[in-house]
Amino acid sequence: DVKVTQSSRYLVKRTGEKVFLECVQDMDHENMFWYRQDPGLGLRLIYFSYDVKMKEKGDIPEGYSVSREKKERFSLILESASTNQTSMYLCASSENRGTYEQYFGPGTRLTVT
Amino acid sequence: GQNIDQPTEMTATEGAIVQINCTYQTSGFNGLFWYQQHAGEAPTFLSYNVLDGLEEKGRFSSFLSRSKGYSYLLLKELQMKDSASYLCAVRDLKAAGNKLTFGGGTRVLVKP
Repeated sequence: DVKVTQSSRYLVKRTGEKVFLECVQDMDHENMFWYRQDPGLGLRLIYFSYDVKMKEKGDIPEGYSVSREKKERFSLILESASTNQTSMYLCASSENRGTYEQYFGPGTRLTVT
Repeated sequence: GQNIDQPTEMTATEGAIVQINCTYQTSGFNGLFWYQQHAGEAPTFLSYNVLDGLEEKGRFSSFLSRSKGYSYLLLKELQMKDSASYLCAVRDLKAAGNKLTFGGGTRVLVKP
């Protein structure tokens, strides 16, 4: 079974703090994605990566950056957390063939106070 | 860009059938996914359609009409555990990294 893990299920940070969210997948997938999910807005893509050291902006990249130094790990960074970044963050990965189905991690619920 | 619409919420009775519609507009359609997401959990894959027609998987079926930009997910013999959000997502041939665009999700409440 594909396994996508995220470093924390729940996280509480203060405004202005630097926040790291880590995601690891164990299936050698080329593609990795970071989404945020908010009530009424659905899943919105923040950044994605289709190879090591490669990154592409998604639909809402402002206020975020990412890092992919190893194939299995994709990190989301909030340089200076703000209250409007309080959300559920979901990581996903997919192969570069077949249906390109995305497998999701359990999510990190981040609260910025 | 892409635009994906699905109803916000639906209610149905245990044992009944519910159909969740999804309409989309995309410049380079390359597949449609349905995911199920229980509250507080990660989305899990249900179905994938890239050609017109019906795909059946047990109690769940998904239909696609590319000419109409339309799909539906059919849930039969509803069970209480089917109470969840159902997400429609479209892959665009022209999008790098095979990224998906998701609709807002449809919350289905199954009542006894």
